[in-house]
Amino acid sequence: KNQVEQSPQSLIILEGKNCTLQCNYTVSPFSNLRWYKQDTGRGPVSLTIMTFSENTKSNGRYTATLDADTKQSSLHITASQLSDSASYICVVSTASGGSYIPTFGRGTSLIVHP
Amino acid sequence: DTGVSQDPRHKITKRGQNVTFRCDPISEHNRLYWYRQTLGQGPEFLTYFQNEAQLEKSRLLSDRFSAERPKGSFSTLEIQRTEQGDSAMYLCASSLVLLAGGSSHEQYFGPGTRLTVT
Repeated sequence: KNQVEQSPQSLIILEGKNCTLQCNYTVSPFSNLRWYKQDTGRGPVSLTIMTFSENTKSNGRYTATLDADTKQSSLHITASQLSDSASYICVVSTASGGSYIPTFGRGTSLIVHP
Repeated sequence: DTGVSQDPRHKITKRGQNVTFRCDPISEHNRLYWYRQTLGQGPEFLTYFQNEAQLEKSRLLSDRFSAERPKGSFSTLEIQRTEQGDSAMYLCASSLVLLAGGSSHEQYFGPGTRLTVT
């Protein structure tokens, strides 16, 4: 069964600090991995998309890494801001013969305190 | 605002009633997706369209659920005989896919329709 596990479930940090969120997956065959940010009551917004051949991708203060061998990804947030408080969701997709099946993690809830 | 709109934003209905939600994707996007999200969980894939063709349906999409995209533009998701377990946020997303079988193209999500079944 395809699964995406995220850790920690929740995280509280002080403004200005860095943090790293983890994503482990068992999805096969692998097509791509995405990280989304979801503010409360809103739809997810894409942060990064990585395919099999990509090890790292950055988007401003967000840097995602991918190890396709160990099936792990991380999202590193640098110099956190209050606006980073949100849920961060890891999504791993398969794509075979035109079919598209995404598997979502439950998300990590990040709270940034002043 | 991502350019994907959903209507209504909130819907309260009584158990057993039918409800219909609408999604308007970004105009040039050929793919449209529906997801369901319950509180504290990540979204769950329901179905997706390539233009007007429904290409994939999750097992979560029971017989009471039906989705259409008749002209390859907006889409509707109908739930018949609603149950309390249908209470969730229903999210729509769209993307532009240029290569056959590709799924790496960024998805843009709408704000969602929150359904409460009493």
